[in-house]
Amino acid sequence: EAGVVQSPRYKIIEKKQPVAFWCNPISGHNTLYWYLQNLGQGPELLIRYENEEAVDDSQLPKDRFSAERLKGVDSTLKIQPAELGDSAVYLCASSLRRGSEAFFGQGTRLTVV
Amino acid sequence: LAKTTQPISMDSYEGQEVNITCSHNNIATNDYITWYQQFPSQGPRFIIQGYKTKVTNEVASLFIPADRKSSTLSLPRVSLSDTAVYYCLVGLTYNTDKLIFGTGTRLQVFP
Repeated sequence: EAGVVQSPRYKIIEKKQPVAFWCNPISGHNTLYWYLQNLGQGPELLIRYENEEAVDDSQLPKDRFSAERLKGVDSTLKIQPAELGDSAVYLCASSLRRGSEAFFGQGTRLTVV
Repeated sequence: LAKTTQPISMDSYEGQEVNITCSHNNIATNDYITWYQQFPSQGPRFIIQGYKTKVTNEVASLFIPADRKSSTLSLPRVSLSDTAVYYCLVGLTYNTDKLIFGTGTRLQVFP
């Protein structure tokens, strides 16, 4: 069974440019998470979906970040415009339901120059 | 959400047993304790979860004392491939379903 798939693996953009990350969760997983991980730190939750509904987006910087989960399956995370401080790894995870084991993708490493 | 405290780093040698302790003094009644492992350039991976006493799987053991204010992840006979960051999380129940990671414990295994 395929795990959580994220793309791209790496992205380098200039500041003020837009960028988007894509996540395909494990089939049948209702809960989807987006995390941000800075170097040397643990992942920090940005947003959590239950099916297509964003049930926790309190940590998402809404002035420049947006996310969607179409039909409760794939999800995209967008940053517009990107800032230098957005350089980090963006991780997607999914779980069968709230509270069950979460499976992470390999992440997208974003570098803003 | 319960806050966790764990050592920043630990060193070990191949073949030794490694015990990583996590403090969670304000753990709630319904909270579970979960450990994740993260290798460089990969996402975290679930290792083990428990509520009380002892849990063992093919990878590790988790010891939780009666007061549940701390827990210890035990890795038997580590190898170089166990070099990773280990995160202790508290929550993950139907009432508290966020994954809140701290800074983790960076384990370095030497030959």
